[in-house]
Amino acid sequence: AQSVAQPEDQVNVAEGNPLTVKCTYSVSGNPYLFWYVQYPNRGLQFLLKYITGDNLVKGSYGFEAEFNKSQTSFHLKKPSALVSDSALYFCHSSYKLIFGSGTRLLVRP
Amino acid sequence: ETGVTQTPRHLVMGMTNKKSLKCEQHLGHNAMYWYKQSAKKPLELMFVYSLEERVENNSVPSRFSPECPNSSHLFLHLHTLQPEDSALYLCASSQDFSGSTQYFGPGTRLTVL
Repeated sequence: AQSVAQPEDQVNVAEGNPLTVKCTYSVSGNPYLFWYVQYPNRGLQFLLKYITGDNLVKGSYGFEAEFNKSQTSFHLKKPSALVSDSALYFCHSSYKLIFGSGTRLLVRP
Repeated sequence: ETGVTQTPRHLVMGMTNKKSLKCEQHLGHNAMYWYKQSAKKPLELMFVYSLEERVENNSVPSRFSPECPNSSHLFLHLHTLQPEDSALYLCASSQDFSGSTQYFGPGTRLTVL
Protein backbone atom coordinates (compact mmCIF):
# COMPACT_ATOMS: atom_id res chain seq x y z
CA ALA A 1 0.00 0.00 0.00
CA GLN A 2 1.19 3.50 -0.78
CA SER A 3 1.81 5.59 2.29
CA VAL A 4 3.48 8.58 3.89
CA ALA A 5 4.64 8.11 7.47
CA GLN A 6 5.53 10.60 10.16
CA PRO A 7 6.87 8.41 12.96
CA GLU A 8 6.80 11.07 15.68
CA ASP A 9 3.56 12.48 17.07
CA GLN A 10 5.47 15.29 18.75
CA VAL A 11 8.94 16.81 18.59
CA ASN A 12 10.25 19.00 21.39
CA VAL A 13 13.21 21.30 20.90
CA ALA A 14 14.70 24.30 22.64
CA GLU A 15 14.71 27.67 20.90
CA GLY A 16 17.93 28.19 18.97
CA ASN A 17 18.60 24.48 18.54
CA PRO A 18 18.30 22.68 15.21
CA LEU A 19 15.08 20.80 14.54
CA THR A 20 14.16 17.80 12.41
CA VAL A 21 10.70 16.52 11.62
CA LYS A 22 10.79 13.11 9.97
CA CYS A 23 8.89 11.80 6.97
CA THR A 24 9.27 8.54 5.07
CA TYR A 25 7.30 7.45 2.04
CA SER A 26 6.28 4.33 0.21
CA VAL A 27 5.01 5.53 -3.15
CA SER A 28 5.62 4.09 -6.59
CA GLY A 29 6.97 6.51 -9.16
CA ASN A 30 7.88 10.11 -8.37
CA PRO A 31 6.19 10.86 -5.04
CA TYR A 32 6.03 14.67 -5.46
CA LEU A 33 6.67 15.42 -1.78
CA PHE A 34 5.49 18.48 0.11
CA TRP A 35 5.59 19.90 3.62
CA TYR A 36 2.73 21.94 5.03
CA VAL A 37 2.36 23.71 8.37
CA GLN A 38 -0.82 24.35 10.32
CA TYR A 39 -1.10 26.97 13.04
CA PRO A 40 -3.99 26.85 15.55
CA ASN A 41 -7.42 27.56 14.05
CA ARG A 42 -5.97 27.92 10.57
CA GLY A 43 -5.81 25.92 7.37
CA LEU A 44 -2.60 24.33 6.14
CA GLN A 45 0.10 26.50 4.57
CA PHE A 46 2.64 25.37 2.00
CA LEU A 47 6.28 25.29 3.19
CA LEU A 48 8.27 23.57 0.44
CA LYS A 49 8.19 20.83 -2.16
CA TYR A 50 10.35 18.35 -4.05
CA ILE A 51 9.30 17.47 -7.58
CA THR A 52 12.58 16.79 -9.35
CA GLY A 53 16.15 18.13 -9.52
CA ASP A 54 18.28 19.16 -6.53
CA ASN A 55 17.60 16.88 -3.57
CA LEU A 56 17.93 19.74 -1.08
CA VAL A 57 14.99 22.11 -1.26
CA LYS A 58 14.61 25.37 0.63
CA GLY A 59 11.29 26.80 1.65
CA SER A 60 9.53 29.43 3.70
CA TYR A 61 10.59 30.65 7.16
CA GLY A 62 14.10 29.17 6.89
CA PHE A 63 12.96 25.56 6.54
CA GLU A 64 14.60 23.05 4.23
CA ALA A 65 14.19 19.38 3.39
CA GLU A 66 16.31 16.74 1.73
CA PHE A 67 14.88 14.14 -0.62
CA ASN A 68 16.69 10.86 -0.03
CA LYS A 69 15.62 8.23 -2.53
CA SER A 70 17.67 5.38 -1.05
CA GLN A 71 16.17 5.91 2.40
CA THR A 72 12.77 6.96 1.00
CA SER A 73 12.80 9.95 3.31
CA PHE A 74 12.01 13.64 3.13
CA HIS A 75 12.88 15.07 6.54
CA LEU A 76 12.11 18.71 7.34
CA LYS A 77 14.91 20.67 8.98
CA LYS A 78 15.74 24.11 10.33
CA PRO A 79 19.13 25.16 11.72
CA SER A 80 17.77 27.30 14.55
CA ALA A 81 14.24 26.83 15.91
CA LEU A 82 11.98 29.70 16.95
CA VAL A 83 9.13 29.59 19.46
CA SER A 84 6.89 30.79 16.62
CA ASP A 85 7.69 27.56 14.70
CA SER A 86 5.49 25.67 17.16
CA ALA A 87 2.73 24.20 15.03
CA LEU A 88 1.46 21.01 13.37
CA TYR A 89 3.48 19.81 10.39
CA PHE A 90 2.27 17.52 7.62
CA CYS A 91 4.24 15.62 5.00
CA HIS A 92 2.34 15.00 1.74
CA SER A 93 2.70 13.07 -1.47
CA SER A 94 0.67 15.00 -4.01
CA TYR A 95 1.09 12.28 -6.65
CA LYS A 96 -1.08 9.97 -4.58
CA LEU A 97 -2.86 12.66 -2.53
CA ILE A 98 -1.59 11.11 0.70
CA PHE A 99 -0.91 13.09 3.87
CA GLY A 100 1.11 11.86 6.82
CA SER A 101 -0.48 11.75 10.26
CA GLY A 102 1.13 15.02 11.33
CA THR A 103 3.85 15.93 13.84
CA ARG A 104 3.33 18.53 16.50
CA LEU A 105 6.44 20.67 16.95
CA LEU A 106 6.88 22.37 20.30
CA VAL A 107 9.71 24.86 20.63
CA ARG A 108 10.32 25.91 24.23
CA PRO A 109 11.88 29.28 25.08
CA GLU B 1 -5.28 35.56 2.97
CA THR B 2 -4.69 32.44 0.85
CA GLY B 3 -7.28 33.06 -1.83
CA VAL B 4 -9.51 30.26 -0.54
CA THR B 5 -12.47 31.24 1.62
CA GLN B 6 -14.86 29.04 3.55
CA THR B 7 -18.23 29.83 5.09
CA PRO B 8 -19.43 29.49 7.72
CA ARG B 9 -16.39 29.33 9.98
CA HIS B 10 -18.38 27.65 12.73
CA LEU B 11 -21.53 25.54 12.51
CA VAL B 12 -23.58 23.75 15.14
CA MET B 13 -26.30 21.44 13.91
CA GLY B 14 -28.60 18.73 15.16
CA MET B 15 -28.60 15.25 13.71
CA THR B 16 -31.80 15.89 11.76
CA ASN B 17 -30.72 19.19 10.22
CA LYS B 18 -29.60 19.86 6.67
CA LYS B 19 -26.82 22.37 6.14
CA SER B 20 -24.22 23.23 3.52
CA LEU B 21 -20.59 24.27 3.69
CA LYS B 22 -19.30 26.63 1.02
CA CYS B 23 -15.82 27.04 -0.40
CA GLU B 24 -14.68 29.61 -2.93
CA GLN B 25 -11.28 29.99 -4.54
CA HIS B 26 -10.04 33.14 -6.25
CA LEU B 27 -6.85 31.62 -7.67
CA GLY B 28 -8.01 30.36 -11.05
CA HIS B 29 -7.32 26.76 -10.06
CA ASN B 30 -8.77 23.71 -11.75
CA ALA B 31 -8.93 21.29 -8.83
CA MET B 32 -10.72 21.53 -5.48
CA TYR B 33 -10.73 19.25 -2.45
CA TRP B 34 -12.65 18.54 0.76
CA TYR B 35 -10.79 17.21 3.78
CA LYS B 36 -11.96 16.19 7.25
CA GLN B 37 -9.63 16.88 10.18
CA SER B 38 -10.31 15.35 13.57
CA ALA B 39 -8.33 14.26 16.60
CA LYS B 40 -8.63 10.58 15.60
CA LYS B 41 -7.53 11.00 11.98
CA PRO B 42 -5.60 14.20 11.43
CA LEU B 43 -6.33 14.68 7.72
CA GLU B 44 -8.75 12.59 5.66
CA LEU B 45 -9.30 13.25 1.99
CA MET B 46 -13.04 13.17 1.26
CA PHE B 47 -13.60 14.38 -2.30
CA VAL B 48 -11.60 15.75 -5.21
CA TYR B 49 -12.94 17.65 -8.20
CA SER B 50 -10.91 18.39 -11.29
CA LEU B 51 -12.42 20.67 -13.92
CA GLU B 52 -15.75 20.28 -12.14
CA GLU B 53 -15.70 16.48 -12.46
CA ARG B 54 -15.45 14.34 -9.35
CA VAL B 55 -12.24 12.30 -9.59
CA GLU B 56 -11.97 10.94 -6.08
CA ASN B 57 -14.53 9.78 -3.56
CA ASN B 58 -12.74 8.33 -0.60
CA SER B 59 -15.44 5.97 0.74
CA VAL B 60 -17.33 8.83 2.32
CA PRO B 61 -20.80 8.13 3.79
CA SER B 62 -23.71 9.30 1.66
CA ARG B 63 -24.79 11.77 4.35
CA PHE B 64 -22.03 13.96 2.86
CA SER B 65 -22.85 15.16 -0.64
CA PRO B 66 -20.44 17.36 -2.61
CA GLU B 67 -21.33 19.76 -5.37
CA CYS B 68 -19.04 21.65 -7.72
CA PRO B 69 -21.11 23.96 -9.94
CA ASN B 70 -18.04 25.67 -11.45
CA SER B 71 -14.28 25.70 -11.00
CA SER B 72 -14.41 28.44 -8.34
CA HIS B 73 -17.03 27.02 -6.00
CA LEU B 74 -17.33 23.84 -4.01
CA PHE B 75 -20.10 22.86 -1.61
CA LEU B 76 -20.50 20.09 0.93
CA HIS B 77 -24.12 19.32 1.68
CA LEU B 78 -24.76 17.73 5.06
CA HIS B 79 -27.80 15.77 6.21
CA THR B 80 -28.60 13.43 9.11
CA LEU B 81 -25.09 13.66 10.47
CA GLN B 82 -23.79 11.82 13.51
CA PRO B 83 -21.90 13.27 16.50
CA GLU B 84 -18.73 11.55 15.26
CA ASP B 85 -18.90 13.77 12.18
CA SER B 86 -17.93 16.73 14.36
CA ALA B 87 -14.61 17.96 13.00
CA LEU B 88 -12.83 20.70 11.12
CA TYR B 89 -13.70 20.57 7.41
CA LEU B 90 -11.02 22.00 5.17
CA CYS B 91 -11.33 23.03 1.56
CA ALA B 92 -8.31 23.33 -0.73
CA SER B 93 -7.58 24.12 -4.33
CA SER B 94 -4.66 23.52 -6.69
CA GLN B 95 -3.74 24.40 -10.24
CA ASP B 96 -4.06 20.81 -11.40
CA PHE B 97 -5.10 17.49 -9.94
CA SER B 98 -2.04 15.67 -8.58
CA GLY B 99 1.43 17.15 -8.38
CA SER B 100 0.45 20.73 -7.57
CA THR B 101 0.67 22.80 -4.40
CA GLN B 102 -2.61 22.90 -2.53
CA TYR B 103 -3.93 26.13 -1.03
CA PHE B 104 -6.19 25.71 1.97
CA GLY B 105 -9.04 27.69 3.39
CA PRO B 106 -9.32 28.34 7.13
CA GLY B 107 -11.86 25.56 7.61
CA THR B 108 -15.35 25.19 9.05
CA ARG B 109 -15.55 23.90 12.61
CA LEU B 110 -18.61 21.63 12.65
CA THR B 111 -20.29 20.40 15.83
CA VAL B 112 -23.09 17.84 15.56
CA LEU B 113 -25.28 17.59 18.64
